[in-house]
Amino acid sequence: SQTIHQWPATLVQPVGSPLSLECTVEGTSNPNLYWYRQAAGRGLQLLFYSVGIGQISSEVPQNLSASRPQDRQFILSSKKLLLSDSGFYLCAWKGQGSSYEQYFGPGTRLTVT
Amino acid sequence: GQSLEQPSEVTAVEGAIVQINCTYQTSGFYGLSWYQQHDGGAPTFLSYNALDGLEETGRFSSFLSRSDSYGYLLLQELQMKDSASYFCAVRDTTGGFKTIFGAGTRLFVKA
Repeated sequence: SQTIHQWPATLVQPVGSPLSLECTVEGTSNPNLYWYRQAAGRGLQLLFYSVGIGQISSEVPQNLSASRPQDRQFILSSKKLLLSDSGFYLCAWKGQGSSYEQYFGPGTRLTVT
Repeated sequence: GQSLEQPSEVTAVEGAIVQINCTYQTSGFYGLSWYQQHDGGAPTFLSYNALDGLEETGRFSSFLSRSDSYGYLLLQELQMKDSASYFCAVRDTTGGFKTIFGAGTRLFVKA
């Protein structure tokens, strides 16, 4: 069966510090991978998606970046965090082709102070 | 572009039936999905409608009318544990790689 891991679960970082969130998927090959951010009580904002190794599409211009160094690994990074980067970060995967269901990781709650 | 509209909040009592509506605007259409998210948790998939009509999964049903660009999620025999946010979503029409989510409907179930 497929599983998706995210870490850390919670993170408190000062403004201006770097960020690295990691997501890995098990039990599937060549998934589409996604990073979302969710503000408290709000919807899901798509940040990045990837359809293959090294292929990253950015949805929202910001100080975040993403990388996919391996087929089932997706990393979200920032060189300098802003207060507005606080939120709940969710990684998700979806099968290729006509697959419609997305599977979400447990999320990382980031607080920038 | 694509957009989805759903009510921000719905309140219902335990044991009742509640319907959460979703209207969408899209230049193409692959189907409408529904996700549930409890506070502090991750969204989980509930249902998918590609064709018009009703899909039933236990206490939850989802309906789609493509001609009206409209769908709804129906929750029957409400339980306290159904208190959560519910999101409708469509796949984008520029390759189908992305899923566009509505802003979510917060369901409060009262005793």
